[in-house]
Amino acid sequence: NAGVTQTPKFRVLKTGQSMTLLCAQDMNHEYMYWYRQDPGMGLRLIHYSVGEGTTAKGEVPDGYNVSRLKKQNFLLGLESAAPSQTSVYFCASTAISPSAGGVEQFFGPGTRLTVL
Amino acid sequence: DAKTTQPPSMDCAEGRAANLPCNHSTISGNEYVYWYRQIHSQGPQYIIHGLKNNETNEMASLIITEDRKSSTLILPHATLRDTAVYYCIVPNAGGTSYGKLTFGQGTILTVHP
Repeated sequence: NAGVTQTPKFRVLKTGQSMTLLCAQDMNHEYMYWYRQDPGMGLRLIHYSVGEGTTAKGEVPDGYNVSRLKKQNFLLGLESAAPSQTSVYFCASTAISPSAGGVEQFFGPGTRLTVL
Repeated sequence: DAKTTQPPSMDCAEGRAANLPCNHSTISGNEYVYWYRQIHSQGPQYIIHGLKNNETNEMASLIITEDRKSSTLILPHATLRDTAVYYCIVPNAGGTSYGKLTFGQGTILTVHP
């Protein structure tokens, strides 16, 4: 059981380049999330998905797109990277359990992205 | 999410109990209190959650006041590896925001030898 994995772990981009971050989970979770964390700050939600084929905007969605074509994968895309997108990106997943208040999220190890 | 207030930093001696407070005075009756922590450079880790009863697991204890307006996370015997940022979160229950977490600044806990 690998839990939540993220690819790549590190990446350096030039302004204007594009890239896709991959998040994969093997726990059959319905809900998946992408967060970013800037230095000295808490995590901020970018986009999330409540199931295969569905996505929704979070707190800071501008400049990002996402896709959830398979239940186990959640992709985060940067079409034209900007220096302001330099951050650590975390993916998370959860199996919502309403009876337990169910937001125990499992996080991946993060992707450290630098945009020059 | 209901707003939470935590002290920015706390210190604790190794082997002693660490008591981390959190105020959540606007919490609704069906909203849970969750605690996560983030060790440097790693993804956040779930610790414990509760509704109104005190809870205990292998990592920590959670004490929630009777009026539910505040709670305390207790690490009974802190170790150096418990040095981390601790987040108290009250997620929205139900609706389209269900399951989303809002991370504030948290409390930086430093455990000293």
